[in-house]
Amino acid sequence: DTGVSQNPRHKITKRGQNVTFRCDPISEHNRLYWYRQTLGQGPEFLTYFQNEAQLEKSRLLSDRFSAERPKGSFSTLEIQRTEQGDSAMYLCASSPPQEGKGAKNIQYFGAGTRLSVL
Amino acid sequence: GQNIDQPTEMTATEGAIVQINCTYQTSGFNGLFWYQQHAGEAPTFLSYNVLDGLEEKGRFSSFLSRSKGYSYLLLKELQMKDSASYLCAVNDYKLSFGAGTTVTVRA
Repeated sequence: DTGVSQNPRHKITKRGQNVTFRCDPISEHNRLYWYRQTLGQGPEFLTYFQNEAQLEKSRLLSDRFSAERPKGSFSTLEIQRTEQGDSAMYLCASSPPQEGKGAKNIQYFGAGTRLSVL
Repeated sequence: GQNIDQPTEMTATEGAIVQINCTYQTSGFNGLFWYQQHAGEAPTFLSYNVLDGLEEKGRFSSFLSRSKGYSYLLLKELQMKDSASYLCAVNDYKLSFGAGTTVTVRA
C-alpha cells in the first residue's frame, strides 16, 4: 500500500461545469477526511466519514458540494456548477481506527487534486 | 471557533536551529500536530503532542503547553531539504490548521 491516492491530480474546468474527484484511502483506515487548501493557507476541513457514514460537514461545504463513501472504502467529492472561488487544492486524508479517547489520530494525506475554474 | 497563529515566514542558515511558534485558541483539544508540506505535495506528519512537555524525534522536537495554548517546533541541524511549509494543527477528531510557516534554508 503506497498511501492515500487521489485522482485526478489536476483538473481545469469552465465555470458552471460539474467536477468529481476520487480518493482511495490507506487500506484498513476507517476514517476519511476532505480538506480544501488555497495558496498561502493551511488546509480547511470540509467533511469526514467514519466507514460509510458522513459524520460532519463544515459550513464551508455549500449545497453545491456533495461527498460520498458508498462502501466505506473510496470516496468521491463532487462540485456542481463550479465557481471561480472553488479553485483550490482539494486534499483527502485517512486515519486508522481510534483506540480510545485521547489516542493519536494521525491523518495521512494524499497529494491532492488541484482544481482551476476558468 | 478556532484561532491558530504561526509566523508566516522564517529564514535560517544550513546547520542552524529554527523554532516555529504556534499559539491556539480552540473550542476542542485532543492534541496538537505538526506537519511538513513541500510545495505541491501532501502534508506529511512530523510530530504529535497531547501532554505538556517536549517530544523529541531526531532533528525535530515539539513542545506543548496546554495552559498557555502554545506549542513550538524546533528544527535542528537544518538541511536544504528542510525548506518547506510547517503546519500547526489542533486535533479535535478533525484537524484545524494554522496558515503555515514557510521556512527557507540558505547555504
